Amino acid sequence: AQSVTQLDSQVPVFEEAPVELRCNYSSSVSVYLFWYVQYPNQGLQLLLKYLSGSTLVKGINGFEAEFNKSQTSFHLRKPSVHISDTAEYFCAVGAGGASYGKLTFGQGTILTVHP
Amino acid sequence: DTAVSQTPKYLVTQMGNDKSIKCEQNLGHDTMYWYKQDSKKFLKIMFSYNNKELIINETVPNRFSPKSPDKAHLNLHINSLELGDSAVYFCASSQDRGSYNEQFFGPGTRLTVL
Repeated sequence: AQSVTQLDSQVPVFEEAPVELRCNYSSSVSVYLFWYVQYPNQGLQLLLKYLSGSTLVKGINGFEAEFNKSQTSFHLRKPSVHISDTAEYFCAVGAGGASYGKLTFGQGTILTVHP
Repeated sequence: DTAVSQTPKYLVTQMGNDKSIKCEQNLGHDTMYWYKQDSKKFLKIMFSYNNKELIINETVPNRFSPKSPDKAHLNLHINSLELGDSAVYFCASSQDRGSYNEQFFGPGTRLTVL
């Protein structure tokens, strides 16, 4: 079984500041890692994903994440945030093998960007 | 064009009633899912179908019954609604059943049970 912990429930930040949203996972098998974003009253949309290969993954809207196998982490970063990045961010893990499309989500981190 | 659509967007009903939520995807995907997002925003998978075959069935009360008439549609029927069923229900789809796939989410159905 796998689990995901997002270490911060809320992250307030000023516009144009850098931000890091932290995610740790646990799994007994190889994993696929995802970050999704949910804007108010909308469904989730994919920001980026790590399947294999380079541990630094770039996504949409200037976000990137780094897979660290030894620390079982997949932290999301953006060097300079905009007001429009205000949303809730979910880290998710999918496992290989017989788990098929089952994604396990973290509890979410609310990012609030202040002017 | 909407990729994954759900109807209705809002559903307010009394305890004990039976209701259905419909989901359709026009992406040509083989796999569809139902998720429940509770009041604390925790998102948990309920069911998944691949080409009309049930492949994921989490620990969900049997008052919840999914139905997939074809691979583009996945409906959720809920019998004898309870207060605890109040949540936002999301439908999603992916190209196939692999865990490596991006899942595309619908806008959600906010269910309120009074």
